Amino acid sequence: QVRLVQSGAEVKKPGSSVKVSCKASGGSFGNYGIYWVRQAPGQGLEWIGGIVPIIGRPYYAQKLQGRVTILADESTTTAYMELNSLTSDDTAVYYCARGPVPGEISSWFDPWGQGTLVTVSS
Amino acid sequence: VLTQSPATLPLSPGERATLSCGASQPVSSSYVAWYQQKPGLAPRLLIHDASSRATGIPGRFTGSKSGTNFTLTISALEPEDFAVYYCQQYGSTPFTFGGGTKVEI
Repeated sequence: QVRLVQSGAEVKKPGSSVKVSCKASGGSFGNYGIYWVRQAPGQGLEWIGGIVPIIGRPYYAQKLQGRVTILADESTTTAYMELNSLTSDDTAVYYCARGPVPGEISSWFDPWGQGTLVTVSS
Repeated sequence: VLTQSPATLPLSPGERATLSCGASQPVSSSYVAWYQQKPGLAPRLLIHDASSRATGIPGRFTGSKSGTNFTLTISALEPEDFAVYYCQQYGSTPFTFGGGTKVEI
């Protein structure tokens, strides 16, 4: 049973960067997509991007292109999402999720991590 | 773009819920999923590939497709089903979500 555990809550200043980690356990890592989704307070879900570690090419939402980097470290079975030039609009819960279809970026998301609250405030 | 309707669906336990998700263009290979989210928790997968129930999901949840319209039906609402439901397409990037439907008592 795959389990995803994310890093803890962060408080950041506007203009700074945040890096959220997502540690996978209980299953194969490199062959399966890892995705990032965020949810602003009281709002819906927004896809940030994803990567299949063994393939290595990340996909990003156009809105965040240039500010976001998604990485995966197969040696530690951990994925990372880094977001730069933070503004108050980036305040949200950030989720990682895994795709259960091997070798495919196009996959549904299951399971999900517990979420990481990132607060951007001066 | 995925458009969910209605935004809010007031119902009582035991009633049937019909949630709609319309795509602005055809979705590759019917790659649509449905998720349930309760306050303070991560989304939970219900349906993938438009109509395949995820492991452990009760049979009262059914997904269907007609053209570019996708539907999630809950045959008889249980108290634990009152939540927000999102559809998502994963046929092509960006993997967009609908705006959500809140099923409330």
